[in-house]
Amino acid sequence: GAVVSQHPSWVICKSGTSVKIECRSLDFQATTMFWYRQFPKQSLMLMATSNEGSKATYEQGVEKDKFLINHASLTLSTLTVTSAHPEDSSFYICSAKQGEGTDTQYFGPGTRLTVL
Amino acid sequence: QKEVEQNSGPLSVPEGAIASLNCTYSDRVSQSFFWYRQYSGKSPELIMSIYSNGDKEDGRFTAQLNKASQYVSLLIRDSQPSDSATYLCAVNSGYSTLTFGKGTMLLVSP
Repeated sequence: GAVVSQHPSWVICKSGTSVKIECRSLDFQATTMFWYRQFPKQSLMLMATSNEGSKATYEQGVEKDKFLINHASLTLSTLTVTSAHPEDSSFYICSAKQGEGTDTQYFGPGTRLTVL
Repeated sequence: QKEVEQNSGPLSVPEGAIASLNCTYSDRVSQSFFWYRQYSGKSPELIMSIYSNGDKEDGRFTAQLNKASQYVSLLIRDSQPSDSATYLCAVNSGYSTLTFGKGTMLLVSP
């Protein structure tokens, strides 16, 4: 149980284009999902908390207009990197909580974004 | 500001030895503690959670929590080369989010 998937696993795009990453909880309903970014040899950085049916809560310094988050169902959250630039190249990882009564987060496999 | 501190390592141990990974946290009201393992280029994988003072064992892994001293540790018995990874300590202080340490790299040599 507690399986989280992400799609795509990697993506290469040109500067200025937008990229959408999907995060799905496969065998449970996730009212809360999280989006992280990780640069090489650095720790996870929380970007935003995504709650089903409401606006995402962004961490300080994360541009909400650049990183659009939609959590339209209990099993799907999407992150769209708009007008991507080379400095947005990173490893994007989502996680999900398995229900409201727990704070354990299960991570998806991650999406490696390379912006040329 | 909530902080979670870990020695970056690398911590090198021979195969079969016990690896001891430590973590300290700043928020005294922290309630939930997690250890994740992250292989290079992969996402974190949950190893254990611990909520109460004392030890919690799961196979070769033992998590230890001391809230008075604000530290949590992870012991890996009979370390294997496949245990070589970065181990992330994460702390939840009563909100939805986890605060992660920067991780300790463990190297287990054959």
